Amino acid sequence: SYELTQPPSVSVSPGQTARITCSGDALPRKYAYWYQQKSGQAPVLVIYEDKKRPSGIPERFSGSSSGTMATLTISGAQVEDEADYYCYSTDSSGDHRVFGGGTKVTVL
Amino acid sequence: QVQLVQSGGEVKKPGASLKVSCKASGYTFTSHGISWVRQAPGKGLEWMGWISGNNGKTNFPQKFQGRVTMTTDTSTSTAYMELRSLTSDDTAVYYCARDSIAEPFEYWGQGTLVTVSS
Repeated sequence: SYELTQPPSVSVSPGQTARITCSGDALPRKYAYWYQQKSGQAPVLVIYEDKKRPSGIPERFSGSSSGTMATLTISGAQVEDEADYYCYSTDSSGDHRVFGGGTKVTVL
Repeated sequence: QVQLVQSGGEVKKPGASLKVSCKASGYTFTSHGISWVRQAPGKGLEWMGWISGNNGKTNFPQKFQGRVTMTTDTSTSTAYMELRSLTSDDTAVYYCARDSIAEPFEYWGQGTLVTVSS
């Protein structure tokens, strides 16, 4: 089965830059998507198709992808950005739809 | 605005079945699919399957094939997910999400907590 690998946690000071990685063998051929989930809430899409930002998502959230790794960057992280972040993609066939294990971002 | 409103939480016995509803509004139901995603306590997100809002076509990962049924009622813009033969491992929050190729899981329901316990 296909897997996406994320670091379990990332810590950053307020105003600094947080980078969350997601690695997967099919990422050179498939888009990555990123979801933010705050405690007790449903996930929210923050990046789609590697680097596009839905309306209403702050500009400090950006995405990139190179080779087998996609990256979510939070530039100038704020306390309200504390959350779990999940990447999502599929295998090369598109049959296996998977989320990464999630990364807990702490801003303090 | 797009809204997905799910049915309330439930407590089930092992071996029982579960059926969760997801009522959509704010968009044309038949123009998008619905996926179901679950999250066990303290764990990550797990995709359970997808159903077309147009023709009822479904797609499930192998893990859930034979144990899950997904249906829609286009007259009420409601999607349903039924999971059978429940075990304690099925204790989770179940989410529905509007799902399209360009923006998968773009909008989410509020979640339904299901506890499986004897």
